[in-house]
Amino acid sequence: DADVTQTPRNRITKTGKRIMLECSQTKGHDRMYWYRQDPGLGLRLIYYSFDVKDINKGEISDGYSVSRQAQAKFSLSLESAIPNQTALYFCATGTGWADTQYFGPGTRLTVL
Amino acid sequence: KQEVTQIPAALSVPEGENLVLNCSFTDSAIYNLQWFRQDPGKGLTSLLLIQSSQREQTSGRLNASLDKSSGRSTLYIAASQPGDSATYLCAVRMGDSSYKLIFGSGTRLLVRP
Repeated sequence: DADVTQTPRNRITKTGKRIMLECSQTKGHDRMYWYRQDPGLGLRLIYYSFDVKDINKGEISDGYSVSRQAQAKFSLSLESAIPNQTALYFCATGTGWADTQYFGPGTRLTVL
Repeated sequence: KQEVTQIPAALSVPEGENLVLNCSFTDSAIYNLQWFRQDPGKGLTSLLLIQSSQREQTSGRLNASLDKSSGRSTLYIAASQPGDSATYLCAVRMGDSSYKLIFGSGTRLLVRP
Protein backbone atom coordinates (compact mmCIF):
# COMPACT_ATOMS: atom_id res chain seq x y z
CA ASP A 1 0.00 0.00 0.00
CA ALA A 2 1.10 3.55 -0.73
CA ASP A 3 2.45 5.50 2.22
CA VAL A 4 0.65 8.74 1.26
CA THR A 5 -2.75 8.43 -0.35
CA GLN A 6 -5.04 11.08 -1.78
CA THR A 7 -8.74 10.88 -2.59
CA PRO A 8 -10.24 11.50 -5.03
CA ARG A 9 -7.60 11.20 -7.77
CA ASN A 10 -9.68 13.16 -10.22
CA ARG A 11 -12.60 15.51 -9.66
CA ILE A 12 -14.66 17.72 -11.92
CA THR A 13 -16.94 20.21 -10.23
CA LYS A 14 -18.81 23.42 -10.92
CA THR A 15 -18.17 26.96 -9.80
CA GLY A 16 -19.53 27.64 -6.31
CA LYS A 17 -19.48 24.04 -5.10
CA ARG A 18 -17.76 23.01 -1.88
CA ILE A 19 -15.01 20.46 -2.42
CA MET A 20 -12.92 18.43 0.02
CA LEU A 21 -9.69 16.70 -0.90
CA GLU A 22 -8.43 14.12 1.55
CA CYS A 23 -4.94 12.93 2.42
CA SER A 24 -3.95 9.98 4.58
CA GLN A 25 -0.51 8.72 5.52
CA THR A 26 0.85 5.59 7.14
CA LYS A 27 4.38 6.92 7.60
CA GLY A 28 3.79 8.23 11.11
CA HIS A 29 5.13 11.68 10.21
CA ASP A 30 4.04 14.72 12.20
CA ARG A 31 4.38 17.27 9.43
CA MET A 32 1.91 17.40 6.54
CA TYR A 33 1.59 19.78 3.62
CA TRP A 34 -0.79 20.74 0.82
CA TYR A 35 0.64 22.06 -2.46
CA ARG A 36 -0.89 23.11 -5.71
CA GLN A 37 0.81 22.71 -9.10
CA ASP A 38 -0.06 24.76 -12.16
CA PRO A 39 1.56 24.27 -15.57
CA GLY A 40 4.85 26.15 -15.78
CA LEU A 41 4.65 27.38 -12.18
CA GLY A 42 6.04 24.51 -10.13
CA LEU A 43 4.47 23.69 -6.76
CA ARG A 44 3.22 26.32 -4.36
CA LEU A 45 2.44 25.74 -0.70
CA ILE A 46 -1.19 26.21 0.41
CA TYR A 47 -1.18 25.09 4.06
CA TYR A 48 1.07 23.10 6.35
CA SER A 49 0.67 21.42 9.72
CA PHE A 50 3.33 20.41 12.23
CA ASP A 51 0.90 18.44 14.37
CA VAL A 52 -2.82 18.16 15.02
CA LYS A 53 -2.95 21.48 16.87
CA ASP A 54 -0.54 23.44 14.67
CA ILE A 55 -1.80 24.63 11.27
CA ASN A 56 -0.19 27.38 9.25
CA LYS A 57 -0.96 29.29 6.08
CA GLY A 58 1.36 28.89 3.15
CA GLU A 59 2.03 31.05 0.13
CA ILE A 60 -1.46 30.85 -1.45
CA SER A 61 -4.03 30.05 1.26
CA ASP A 62 -6.82 32.41 0.13
CA GLY A 63 -9.93 30.44 -0.90
CA TYR A 64 -8.77 27.29 0.91
CA SER A 65 -9.14 25.83 4.40
CA VAL A 66 -7.73 22.73 6.02
CA SER A 67 -8.48 20.31 8.82
CA ARG A 68 -6.01 18.01 10.59
CA GLN A 69 -8.35 15.37 11.93
CA ALA A 70 -5.59 13.13 13.23
CA GLN A 71 -1.87 12.72 12.85
CA ALA A 72 -2.51 10.61 9.77
CA LYS A 73 -5.18 12.74 8.08
CA PHE A 74 -5.04 16.21 6.57
CA SER A 75 -7.93 17.51 4.44
CA LEU A 76 -8.07 20.50 2.11
CA SER A 77 -11.37 22.26 1.42
CA LEU A 78 -12.44 24.70 -1.22
CA GLU A 79 -15.46 26.44 0.28
CA SER A 80 -16.71 27.86 -3.01
CA ALA A 81 -14.71 26.57 -5.96
CA ILE A 82 -13.74 28.90 -8.78
CA PRO A 83 -12.23 28.08 -12.20
CA ASN A 84 -8.75 29.41 -11.36
CA GLN A 85 -8.51 26.74 -8.67
CA THR A 86 -8.27 24.18 -11.46
CA ALA A 87 -4.90 22.53 -10.78
CA LEU A 88 -3.06 19.45 -9.61
CA TYR A 89 -3.07 19.20 -5.80
CA PHE A 90 -0.43 17.31 -3.84
CA CYS A 91 -0.29 16.27 -0.23
CA ALA A 92 3.09 15.57 1.37
CA THR A 93 4.48 14.46 4.70
CA GLY A 94 7.77 15.49 6.25
CA THR A 95 10.11 14.06 8.80
CA GLY A 96 13.49 14.56 10.39
CA TRP A 97 15.69 17.57 10.84
CA ALA A 98 16.30 17.69 7.09
CA ASP A 99 12.54 17.42 6.47
CA THR A 100 12.68 15.00 3.56
CA GLN A 101 9.21 15.24 2.07
CA TYR A 102 7.17 12.36 0.70
CA PHE A 103 4.42 13.12 -1.78
CA GLY A 104 1.08 11.55 -2.57
CA PRO A 105 0.05 10.81 -6.18
CA GLY A 106 -1.94 14.02 -6.56
CA THR A 107 -5.55 15.00 -7.19
CA ARG A 108 -6.45 16.58 -10.50
CA LEU A 109 -9.24 19.10 -9.87
CA THR A 110 -11.18 20.82 -12.64
CA VAL A 111 -13.61 23.62 -11.80
CA LEU A 112 -15.99 24.47 -14.63
CA LYS B 1 11.52 36.78 -1.54
CA GLN B 2 13.20 33.57 -2.64
CA GLU B 3 12.82 32.70 -6.32
CA VAL B 4 13.90 29.39 -7.81
CA THR B 5 14.53 29.09 -11.54
CA GLN B 6 15.21 26.02 -13.63
CA ILE B 7 16.70 26.19 -17.10
CA PRO B 8 16.01 24.75 -19.60
CA ALA B 9 12.29 24.15 -19.28
CA ALA B 10 12.57 21.14 -21.57
CA LEU B 11 15.42 18.98 -22.82
CA SER B 12 15.60 16.14 -25.32
CA VAL B 13 18.72 13.96 -25.55
CA PRO B 14 19.67 10.63 -27.14
CA GLU B 15 20.10 7.62 -24.90
CA GLY B 16 23.54 7.27 -23.34
CA GLU B 17 24.31 10.96 -23.18
CA ASN B 18 25.50 12.60 -19.97
CA LEU B 19 23.45 15.66 -19.09
CA VAL B 20 23.19 18.51 -16.61
CA LEU B 21 20.06 20.17 -15.27
CA ASN B 22 20.37 23.59 -13.71
CA CYS B 23 18.69 25.24 -10.74
CA SER B 24 19.32 28.76 -9.47
CA PHE B 25 18.00 30.60 -6.43
CA THR B 26 18.09 34.26 -5.46
CA ASP B 27 18.55 34.07 -1.68
CA SER B 28 21.61 32.12 -0.55
CA ALA B 29 20.32 31.74 3.05
CA ILE B 30 19.01 28.25 2.39
CA TYR B 31 18.94 25.33 4.80
CA ASN B 32 18.98 22.63 2.14
CA LEU B 33 18.11 21.90 -1.47
CA GLN B 34 16.26 18.88 -2.85
CA TRP B 35 15.96 17.43 -6.31
CA PHE B 36 12.72 15.61 -7.13
CA ARG B 37 11.53 13.53 -10.04
CA GLN B 38 7.90 13.74 -11.21
CA ASP B 39 6.34 11.16 -13.51
CA PRO B 40 3.02 11.83 -15.26
CA GLY B 41 0.07 10.89 -13.07
CA LYS B 42 2.30 10.29 -10.09
CA GLY B 43 3.58 12.29 -7.19
CA LEU B 44 7.09 13.56 -6.62
CA THR B 45 9.94 11.30 -5.62
CA SER B 46 12.87 12.75 -3.73
CA LEU B 47 16.15 11.98 -5.50
CA LEU B 48 18.81 13.83 -3.56
CA LEU B 49 18.94 16.26 -0.66
CA ILE B 50 21.96 18.52 -0.10
CA GLN B 51 22.43 20.33 3.17
CA SER B 52 23.70 23.93 2.96
CA SER B 53 27.05 22.83 4.39
CA GLN B 54 27.56 20.19 1.69
CA ARG B 55 28.93 20.57 -1.82
CA GLU B 56 27.46 17.49 -3.46
CA GLN B 57 25.50 14.30 -3.07
CA THR B 58 25.57 11.17 -5.20
CA SER B 59 23.11 8.36 -5.75
CA GLY B 60 23.85 5.85 -8.49
CA ARG B 61 24.04 7.69 -11.82
CA LEU B 62 22.88 10.94 -10.23
CA ASN B 63 25.13 13.61 -8.78
CA ALA B 64 23.85 16.90 -7.38
CA SER B 65 26.11 19.82 -6.56
CA LEU B 66 25.46 22.97 -4.58
CA ASP B 67 27.22 26.32 -4.74
CA LYS B 68 25.37 28.35 -2.16
CA SER B 69 27.37 31.53 -2.62
CA SER B 70 26.48 31.75 -6.30
CA GLY B 71 22.92 30.49 -5.79
CA ARG B 72 23.27 27.48 -8.05
CA SER B 73 22.76 23.74 -8.05
CA THR B 74 23.20 21.20 -10.81
CA LEU B 75 21.86 17.68 -11.25
CA TYR B 76 24.18 15.53 -13.34
CA ILE B 77 22.74 12.37 -14.90
CA ALA B 78 25.28 9.95 -16.31
CA ALA B 79 24.60 7.58 -19.20
CA SER B 80 20.97 8.64 -19.58
CA GLN B 81 18.30 6.01 -20.24
CA PRO B 82 14.74 6.27 -21.61
CA GLY B 83 13.51 5.46 -18.11
CA ASP B 84 15.03 8.74 -16.93
CA SER B 85 12.38 10.62 -18.93
CA ALA B 86 10.41 12.69 -16.42
CA THR B 87 10.15 16.20 -15.04
CA TYR B 88 12.89 17.14 -12.59
CA LEU B 89 12.16 19.74 -9.93
CA CYS B 90 14.48 21.44 -7.49
CA ALA B 91 13.26 22.93 -4.24
CA VAL B 92 14.96 24.95 -1.52
CA ARG B 93 14.18 25.07 2.16
CA MET B 94 15.02 28.35 3.80
CA GLY B 95 17.01 28.65 7.01
CA ASP B 96 14.02 29.29 9.22
CA SER B 97 11.70 27.06 11.23
CA SER B 98 8.93 26.89 8.66
CA TYR B 99 10.03 23.73 6.82
CA LYS B 100 8.50 25.26 3.70
CA LEU B 101 9.86 24.21 0.31
CA ILE B 102 10.09 26.70 -2.55
CA PHE B 103 10.01 24.95 -5.91
CA GLY B 104 11.32 25.74 -9.33
CA SER B 105 9.04 25.14 -12.30
CA GLY B 106 10.94 22.06 -13.43
CA THR B 107 12.83 20.71 -16.43
CA ARG B 108 10.97 18.21 -18.59
CA LEU B 109 13.49 15.62 -19.79
CA LEU B 110 13.00 13.24 -22.71
CA VAL B 111 15.63 10.58 -23.36
CA ARG B 112 15.20 9.18 -26.86
CA PRO B 113 16.02 5.48 -27.49
